[in-house]
Amino acid sequence: AQSVSQHNHHVILSEAASLELGCNYSYGGTVNLFWYVQYPGQHLQLLLKYFSGDPLVKGIKGFEAEFIKSKFSFNLRKPSVQWSDTAEYFCAVNALNTGFQKLVFGTGTRLLVSP
Amino acid sequence: NAGVTQTPKFRILKIGQSMTLQCAQDMNHNYMYWYRQDPGMGLKLIYYSVGAGITDKGEVPNGYNVSRSTTEDFPLRLELAAPSQTSVYFCASSYDMTTFGYTFGSGTRLTVV
Repeated sequence: AQSVSQHNHHVILSEAASLELGCNYSYGGTVNLFWYVQYPGQHLQLLLKYFSGDPLVKGIKGFEAEFIKSKFSFNLRKPSVQWSDTAEYFCAVNALNTGFQKLVFGTGTRLLVSP
Repeated sequence: NAGVTQTPKFRILKIGQSMTLQCAQDMNHNYMYWYRQDPGMGLKLIYYSVGAGITDKGEVPNGYNVSRSTTEDFPLRLELAAPSQTSVYFCASSYDMTTFGYTFGSGTRLTVV
């Protein structure tokens, strides 16, 4: 079965610091990859997604993620975080060609950005 | 505004009570999903549907039931509430998986006491 690992459960940064959140998945075939963000008290919103092509994907609010197939990874990055980036971030994977396609989510990384 | 609407936003149930969490989408999406979110556990899929009249179990279906009589609605039923069902429940829908990902509702926070 597919699984998604987010090893950083809690991250605390100061404003303007750089961010990298790790995401690894277990499926060896073709995948679609997503990062979702959940601001406090809100629902999940799509941050960025990778389907094919350039492995460096740019999303909203200055976020980007890099797909490294050999490492089964899809890490999220941002050069300079802001206080408003305080949220929980979820990596999700859809393994193609495995029957009905549905997202498998990681356990999430809670980011706190201090002003 | 187009999207996924969940009601209620909050609910407290007593053990053994039943309730239905409502979910409706107006985007003409065929695929709909119910997830529960527990602290430190991420999102676990309860049930999903690929279209009206078709539903199937996800990872954690025990204690829940669903129906999909129309494309728009996908209610989740708890028959005999248990404390283990205390969670935040999210409904989501998608046109397909390869284009847009999921659109999530705002969630229902359920407490069973």
